Amino acid sequence: GDSVTQMEGPVTLSEEAFLTINCTYTATGYPSLFWYVQYPGEGLQLLLKATKADDKGSNKGFEATYRKETTSFHLEKGSVQVSDSAVYFCALTGRSNDYKLSFGAGTTVTVRA
Amino acid sequence: EAQVTQNPRYLITVTGKKLTVTCSQNMNHEYMSWYRQDPGLGLRQIYYSMNVEVTDKGDVPEGYKVSRKEKRNFPLILESPSPNQTSLYFCASRTAQGARSPLHFGNGTRLTVT
Repeated sequence: GDSVTQMEGPVTLSEEAFLTINCTYTATGYPSLFWYVQYPGEGLQLLLKATKADDKGSNKGFEATYRKETTSFHLEKGSVQVSDSAVYFCALTGRSNDYKLSFGAGTTVTVRA
Repeated sequence: EAQVTQNPRYLITVTGKKLTVTCSQNMNHEYMSWYRQDPGLGLRQIYYSMNVEVTDKGDVPEGYKVSRKEKRNFPLILESPSPNQTSLYFCASRTAQGARSPLHFGNGTRLTVT
């Protein structure tokens, strides 16, 4: 079945550091890919998405590119802030199963001032 | 304000005592779903509903029930809670346009079963 694998955390960074969170997927066909973010004490919210190969999703300084050849959707941000401290989830929905979103395990990111 | 509202935020109960976690959304969304979040496992889907009176099992439905009598409400029922149901629970909703439309999440319910 469809699945997502994220790099394990926790990740601790200093402000203005570069952030990368790796995400790879297994799916039949061409899934749509997402990053959701969960701030402390809140539910998840959509950060960005990409629906076809080579698409780049971007939002709030974060970017991720849908790489079909490596089945990856790594999240990056060039200069993190303390307010980026959160749990980040990679997720996908398969073309054959459009109603279900499959999530990775989540990566906890802490940014120190 | 568009939102998904879950209640209660925190709940401590004992094994076997029936409980209900409520979920309500004000966005007229057709699709609603319940997830549980456990460390190292991410979010796993418990049940979902494509519309009123239409519900189906997710990946981990054992020990849970749901109902969808009205479009806005989707309660999660634990008839006989057990300690392995201690978890953080999220309700979510979206339009019927497919899973590529964003899910809107509630703020979660932290359940402890002793």
